[in-house]
Amino acid sequence: NSKVIQTPRYLVKGQGQKAKMRCIPEKGHPVVFWYQQNKNNEFKFLINFQNQEVLQQIDMTEKRFSAECPSNSPCSLEIQSSEAGDSALYLCASSLDWGQNTLYFGAGTRLSVL
Amino acid sequence: GEKVEQHESTLSVREGDSAVINCTYTDTASSYFPWYKQEAGKSLHFVIDIRSNVDRKQSQRLIVLLDKKAKRFSLHITATQPEDSAIYFCAASKGYAQGLTFGLGTRVSVFP
Repeated sequence: NSKVIQTPRYLVKGQGQKAKMRCIPEKGHPVVFWYQQNKNNEFKFLINFQNQEVLQQIDMTEKRFSAECPSNSPCSLEIQSSEAGDSALYLCASSLDWGQNTLYFGAGTRLSVL
Repeated sequence: GEKVEQHESTLSVREGDSAVINCTYTDTASSYFPWYKQEAGKSLHFVIDIRSNVDRKQSQRLIVLLDKKAKRFSLHITATQPEDSAIYFCAASKGYAQGLTFGLGTRVSVFP
């Protein structure tokens, strides 16, 4: 079983509301990724971190999405102003290092924007 | 950017038979190819991976083949069991800073 912990499992928001989800990566894993999986099973890379530093993020993330991985606290992904198109499963994954190591995924947060 | 195509959207196999899922990728720089399993309502569970320095890898009933010339890789599930029923995703990566590019998944159903 995955040791990546994501909360909450389900999140329901109205359009324009903030939506925040959290992730505790597997112990000792400094690399964290966030992905969005839509209902058509399309995965979209959002952002990744090594320790507390953002390494790469897509444009979408830069505008309405914010994410952080502070030391000694859970990582978080926040959508500042939710839109209907943001309804999806948000997956957090962690890895031991960058060297093509396995990504371990959490159970995800399913966001519904009404 | 990289595109990964998963050729079978559904696969129905009799228990004990083999299931084969085929994926192709576009970027010759991709060098890491993992497979994940997703059961209904659950997250992605890593099952097996292959790196570009080998062309075959086996882990118990799972075999992964990689053909770099054809930019094709495949997952073979041998002696299928009911618990193999799930959606399987293939993915490709040039290196983790680039993340994984996923296929759209293959729903595998194992019937008695």
